[in-house]
Amino acid sequence: SQTIHQWPATLVQPVGSPLSLECTVEGTSNPNLYWYRQAAGRGLQLLFYSIGIDQISSEVPQNLSASRPQDRQFILSSKKLLLSDSGFYLCAWMRVGSGANVLTFGAGSRLTVL
Amino acid sequence: EDQVTQSPEALRLQEGESSSLNCSYTVSGLRGLFWYRQDPGKGPEFLFTLYSAGEEKEKERLKATLTKKESFLHITAPKPEDSATYLCAVPGGTSYGKLTFGQGTILTVHP
Repeated sequence: SQTIHQWPATLVQPVGSPLSLECTVEGTSNPNLYWYRQAAGRGLQLLFYSIGIDQISSEVPQNLSASRPQDRQFILSSKKLLLSDSGFYLCAWMRVGSGANVLTFGAGSRLTVL
Repeated sequence: EDQVTQSPEALRLQEGESSSLNCSYTVSGLRGLFWYRQDPGKGPEFLFTLYSAGEEKEKERLKATLTKKESFLHITAPKPEDSATYLCAVPGGTSYGKLTFGQGTILTVHP
């Protein structure tokens, strides 16, 4: 069976510090990978998605970047955090070509920028 | 631009009191509508996908229906463990992973 892992689960960082959130998927190969953010009082917003290694698309202009160094690893980064980067970050995956069309989410990483 | 609006924002029910949640959408060509359940501090959990008007799907006390303009999530005889935020979403573009979500309905079921 497939599983998705995110870490760290909780993070408190000062403004201007760097960020690295990691996500890995097990039990599948060549998945589509996604980063979503859920800010307080707002719905989920797609930040980045990837259809393969080093193939990243950004959906919204922002202070964040994403990388996919391995097939089942997706990393969300920032060089200098802003207060507005606080939120609940969710990694998700989808199997390609199966027809199931179901996006499966990880448990999330709660980021608080002070 | 795709838009998804959910109502009510919050719903409080007594155990056993059936009700419905609404999800209205504006898309250029519906390719599906998804319902998710999200517990506090956790990632959304997939419930249903509906692809065409008139389609219905059921899971335990939940039934999702779809029309050309909206979807309903009917909850029959809810229990306290049904308390959660319920999210609906529609896919954009050519990817089913690029979802536009509504704000969610926070459901609280009191014993």
